[in-house]
Amino acid sequence: GAGVSQSPRYKVAKRGQDVALRCDPISGHVSLFWYQQALGQGPEFLTYFQNEAQLDKSGLPSDRFFAERPEGSVSTLKIQRTQQEDSAVYLCASSFLAGGLNEQFFGPGTRLTVL
Amino acid sequence: AQSVTQPDIHITVSEGASLELRCNYSYGATPYLFWYVQSPGQGLQLLLKYFSGDTLVQGIKGFEAEFKRSQSSFNLRKPSVHWSDAAEYFCAVGPYSSASKIIFGSGTRLSIRP
Repeated sequence: GAGVSQSPRYKVAKRGQDVALRCDPISGHVSLFWYQQALGQGPEFLTYFQNEAQLDKSGLPSDRFFAERPEGSVSTLKIQRTQQEDSAVYLCASSFLAGGLNEQFFGPGTRLTVL
Repeated sequence: AQSVTQPDIHITVSEGASLELRCNYSYGATPYLFWYVQSPGQGLQLLLKYFSGDTLVQGIKGFEAEFKRSQSSFNLRKPSVHWSDAAEYFCAVGPYSSASKIIFGSGTRLSIRP
């Protein structure tokens, strides 16, 4: 596709359920980022992949959050035992070059609501 | 710690009027600075960025921003806004020490008055 796609676009989960959010970056992009955007706030960095290597996961809020990009393309963000405070929009972005200082192309996000 | 402040939560301007969105950063060295726009239902899009050199940066859609080190500011400007500019605008800073992380401000929502 022409841009970054994310699925599902909307997800409602009951507290305690596990969820998996998918990101399809632009083909050939080396870098992939996950962000969490709470209502009325800017995106907050979660984690960064360079190809299949997760080089920075300093923004993951707890060990319930796990991300992978096993073949250096599609990435999955998994949240275990969801809590209400996990409700947010989860954004994925990719970049042609390595690192976060190059232009990042963002997907439309997945809006997660935890009841 | 690095931080970005956008003091205006919501701004309304008339179509055709000039615009200035404020951004202040806190960082010990020269930062990398960005402005992104988030339109309803769409992903964030880079408007412009500043790394070094000329402190007045031109971006897409007729936007420009000026880096002022003495004021720790990177304000976004446009001489004449269009109704299609209504969106959320985010300023972001990329610390030189980090290869991956950029920090976003909380955003300014821009409304356009017909």
